[in-house]
Amino acid sequence: DAKTTQPTSMDCAEGRAANLPCNHSTISGNEYVYWYRQIHSQGPQYIIHGLKNNETNEMASLIITEDRKSSTLILPHATLRDTAVYYCIASNFGNEKLTFGTGTRLTIIP
Amino acid sequence: NAGVTQTPKFRVLKTGQSMTLLCAQDMNHEYMYWYRQDPGMGLRLIHYSVGEGTTAKGEVPDGYNVSRLKKQNFLLGLESAAPSQTSVYFCASSFGLPWDQPQHFGDGTRLSIL
Repeated sequence: DAKTTQPTSMDCAEGRAANLPCNHSTISGNEYVYWYRQIHSQGPQYIIHGLKNNETNEMASLIITEDRKSSTLILPHATLRDTAVYYCIASNFGNEKLTFGTGTRLTIIP
Repeated sequence: NAGVTQTPKFRVLKTGQSMTLLCAQDMNHEYMYWYRQDPGMGLRLIHYSVGEGTTAKGEVPDGYNVSRLKKQNFLLGLESAAPSQTSVYFCASSFGLPWDQPQHFGDGTRLSIL
């Protein structure tokens, strides 16, 4: 799996869009980019994943650069409940397991 | 819709004691995983299973054993607990390989070894 690099922490004002960057410069063509989050001490929660194209679901949008070396998770209207640690993971085709790093601690400011 | 259920939620053990953590999923998932998370750190994979009757080692398997006798259950055993095994343990399951299918996590088991 490609190594991913994320900022240790970020703040975002409530109601604004939260943009969380992830660098994966060594990603291969078969590797998906996954985003999970962990709220307080709960189990991680799946958010979104993508390969090449931008993706959107009810929780977030994922923007992957054309060269696939980086991506951005966008929470369009952040709420206090979005305060969590966000993990960006690159997972290779056929891989049987995910490797979690230390993620970005996102704090939503009232 | 229970999803992934972990039992127990909390436990305190003495060094040398043994115990089994139970993970049950009702989503008919093939793949199941056990992770541990230490304070301020990301999740580390202990063992995983790609189907009933199978198990495989993850990053940190030493001191743990697992069994997957039934598709819906994945057991994590500590034969002789050590203080270094104090951690939060998370179980997860997925329908397919994790590169293609998201993992669903339980709420964790908080284990303290004295």
